[in-house]
Amino acid sequence: DTAVSQTPKYLVTQMGNDKSIKCEQNLGHDTMYWYKQDSKKFLKIMFSYNNKELIINETVPNRFSPKSPDKAHLNLHINSLELGDSAVYFCASSPSPGELFFGEGSRLTVL
Amino acid sequence: GIQVEQSPPDLILQEGANSTLRCNFSDSVNNLQWFHQNPWGQLINLFYIPSGTKQNGRLSATTVATERYSLLYISSSQTTDSGVYFCAVLNSNSGYALNFGKGTSLLVTP
Repeated sequence: DTAVSQTPKYLVTQMGNDKSIKCEQNLGHDTMYWYKQDSKKFLKIMFSYNNKELIINETVPNRFSPKSPDKAHLNLHINSLELGDSAVYFCASSPSPGELFFGEGSRLTVL
Repeated sequence: GIQVEQSPPDLILQEGANSTLRCNFSDSVNNLQWFHQNPWGQLINLFYIPSGTKQNGRLSATTVATERYSLLYISSSQTTDSGVYFCAVLNSNSGYALNFGKGTSLLVTP
């Protein structure tokens, strides 16, 4: 049973399109996150939700909108995709406080 | 926010060699984790170690919180150890999410 699962794992799309990445965790954790890993492998926090409430919103374009329907799910919607959005997006979860666990990542390629 | 520096940035080892990876951080922490990103891109938890020493097989880690550093030891390295090793820290005074270092890229050759 996968603890933190993301779909899709690969996404190839054209500039200007809108896309979503879904994330689910079955660990019973309170807090979920989205991280972005760029081409140089640097991992940077984008958003964090605790019990469906947004607690971190780093400097991310407002084309990115997270949605948490319940504490087990945190989805990422991206509008008007740009070339620079190409990256690997990782969902993660943790208890508060506690150890962070990542999903397998979703590789987004914008053409 | 809290700064995280990892060294060395790159490392090449022959199979069977030992190595030490270092993580320095700029403030007190209440969470520190080591991750291994394998060549397939998966981020694998190695240690949750805000202080003290832990061992797991050929890997061990030590965090000296008062001196603001952590070390990851890899003994008898294997080719499957190749990948990028990340240190990540959390300081609750400056945020609610782990801040990552830039990683150490390790290649173990046969």
